[in-house]
Amino acid sequence: DVVMTQSPLSLPVTLGQPASISCRSSQSLVHSDGNTYLSWFQQRPGQSPRRLIYKVSNRDSGVPDRFSGSGSGTDFTLKISRVEAEDVGVYYCMQGTHWPYTFGPGAKLEIK
Amino acid sequence: EVQLLESGGGLVQPGGSLRLSCAASGFNFNSYTMSWVRQAPGKGLEWVAIFGGSSGRTYYANSVKGRFAISRDNSKNTVDLQMNSLRAEDTAVYHCAKGGRDTDYWGQGTLVTVSS
Repeated sequence: DVVMTQSPLSLPVTLGQPASISCRSSQSLVHSDGNTYLSWFQQRPGQSPRRLIYKVSNRDSGVPDRFSGSGSGTDFTLKISRVEAEDVGVYYCMQGTHWPYTFGPGAKLEIK
Repeated sequence: EVQLLESGGGLVQPGGSLRLSCAASGFNFNSYTMSWVRQAPGKGLEWVAIFGGSSGRTYYANSVKGRFAISRDNSKNTVDLQMNSLRAEDTAVYHCAKGGRDTDYWGQGTLVTVSS
């Protein structure tokens, strides 16, 4: 199985400051169809996961533009340009290139 | 608006069975792969099974292969998960998800507790 690792796992951030989460996969996430199926999910306390970013850098409808995704191959990053209180939660990266699809362990963002 | 509503969770003894169901609305159900993903209490996320929309193919995590079966009824817009030979480690919130590799919407989930 493809192992997804994330760092840091704990992210205390001051309101208004930027935040960045790294995600690495144990093998390339480039699919034979040419796409890279790397998504980012946000899970707020008590809620189900919500997709923020798909195929590395595509923001979902309704997701604030302070969220951005980048990367290629095996290294990916989620950036929040200015953290707001509503961003508190756990952030997961997920690969959908190789079955079984797998998730990172999650990075917990809290307000400092 | 996409809606996914899971049902069927509960307390079951080890070795027992349970059937989860997911009612979907707000999108063209026939055209989409549907999935089940679980989250053990306080733990991360694990794909359980997927059922292709156009292909009709099914895939399972190794941890549930031979014990769980995913099915769908395109006439009722439902996707089910039959779970047999349940183990303590199957205890989790089970989420129904629209899509597979490109999953975008998840239900709130239904809690399955395997305990004697």
